[in-house]
Amino acid sequence: DIQMTQSPSTLSASVGDRVTITCRASQNINRWLAWYQQKPGQAPKVLIYKAAVLQSGVPSRFSGSGSGTEFTLNISSLQPDDFATYYCQHCNSFSRMFTFGQGTKLDIK
Amino acid sequence: QVHLVESGGGVVQPGRSLRLSCSGSGFSFSSYEFHWVRQAPGKGLEWVALVAYDGINNEYADSVKGRFSVSRDNSNNAFYLQMNSLRTDDSAVYYCARGGFGGSGSHFDYWGPGTLVSVFS
Repeated sequence: DIQMTQSPSTLSASVGDRVTITCRASQNINRWLAWYQQKPGQAPKVLIYKAAVLQSGVPSRFSGSGSGTEFTLNISSLQPDDFATYYCQHCNSFSRMFTFGQGTKLDIK
Repeated sequence: QVHLVESGGGVVQPGRSLRLSCSGSGFSFSSYEFHWVRQAPGKGLEWVALVAYDGINNEYADSVKGRFSVSRDNSNNAFYLQMNSLRTDDSAVYYCARGGFGGSGSHFDYWGPGTLVSVFS
């Protein structure tokens, strides 16, 4: 099974900061990676899919990059609404099994 | 406007069964695959099952294989998660989510608000 590992597990930052969250896959997953944002008491919301495609309606300060085994989610200038938990997610196109990373909690410094 | 909503959560004893439903609206329901994703209290997201667009090629996480099953009813724009032999570690908020069009999706673009399942004696 492919394992997804996010780092860091927690991240403290300030409004206006640029932040980067990393997701590593245990084997090559090409660009089959999505990123989600989840706020307490709410369902997750997709931000990025296929590693770098911005979901419609998501602010352009969010961007994704990477391929193979290492991926990053970047937020160019943190806004108050961005403090949340972020998850990466992979789909194995052969087995049709889906895997999430363990999450990165982004909180206010 | 795409809308998904779960129902059927509740409190159940270990070893018992529960059936969750998810109703969809605002899109061509029969053309999409769907998923169940759960989140134990204070924990991360765990994918549970894929409801294939053909209703046949479903897939399950190892943690629920043999105990949970999924089905869909396109005539009622609904799909289901049948949970048998429930264990305390199945306690979680269960989300339904929309996957890809025509069986090729890689992510979940719309989610329901979730329904809580609590398994304890």
